[in-house]
Amino acid sequence: DSGVTQTPKHLITATGQRVTLRCSPRSGDLSVYWYQQSLDQGLQFLIHYYNGEERAKGNILERFSAQQFPDLHSELNLSSLELGDSALYFCASSVKAALTGELFFGEGSRLTVL
Amino acid sequence: GENVEQHPSTLSVQEGDSAVIKCTYSDSASNYFPWYKQELGKGPQLIIDIRSNVGEKKDQRIAVTLNKTAKHFSLHITETQPEDSAVYFCAASTTNAGKSTFGDGTTLTVKP
Repeated sequence: DSGVTQTPKHLITATGQRVTLRCSPRSGDLSVYWYQQSLDQGLQFLIHYYNGEERAKGNILERFSAQQFPDLHSELNLSSLELGDSALYFCASSVKAALTGELFFGEGSRLTVL
Repeated sequence: GENVEQHPSTLSVQEGDSAVIKCTYSDSASNYFPWYKQELGKGPQLIIDIRSNVGEKKDQRIAVTLNKTAKHFSLHITETQPEDSAVYFCAASTTNAGKSTFGDGTTLTVKP
């Protein structure tokens, strides 16, 4: 158990809908990262938050947004969903703002868009 | 930005044999290179990492080597066991970056 909690584990929805994925980082970790893993694909970086502030952005679509709250949990919002958004979404946390060590990953939220 | 290429995409070995997975990176400023293991239905988990001031690091049956001049690093697993079967990801980042760039993964199968 990495200590990172992601909910929901599975989500099935229809095209055009909006969903919210939630992540609780390890106790004491200030950084939260979101990654997308499509079928047979690697981990694509979406966005990084540190202590409530956005620190880095990857190839995140404009339909997607994220935030980190004062209690350090984070939410990834996906809107106007398309079939191609079906993927496993991982949250990871670390202690510092800079990536100088291990990322602790949650078990992921599997999104299926029908 | 950083680009990480990982080979092979699939690797099948007999139990007890060695397995080698190779990655190349493009950004010469990258200085942190972790390897993650992802078992079915789980999130990736760090198994070993290396920083740019070190050429090799070992942890029991696992070792990583880094060639900064050639911009490539490799994962070596000796005496493979069936429980080593998983997807392995390499990654590269710079100390002050806000992200790690991952390779596309290698599916390792260890046959008993």
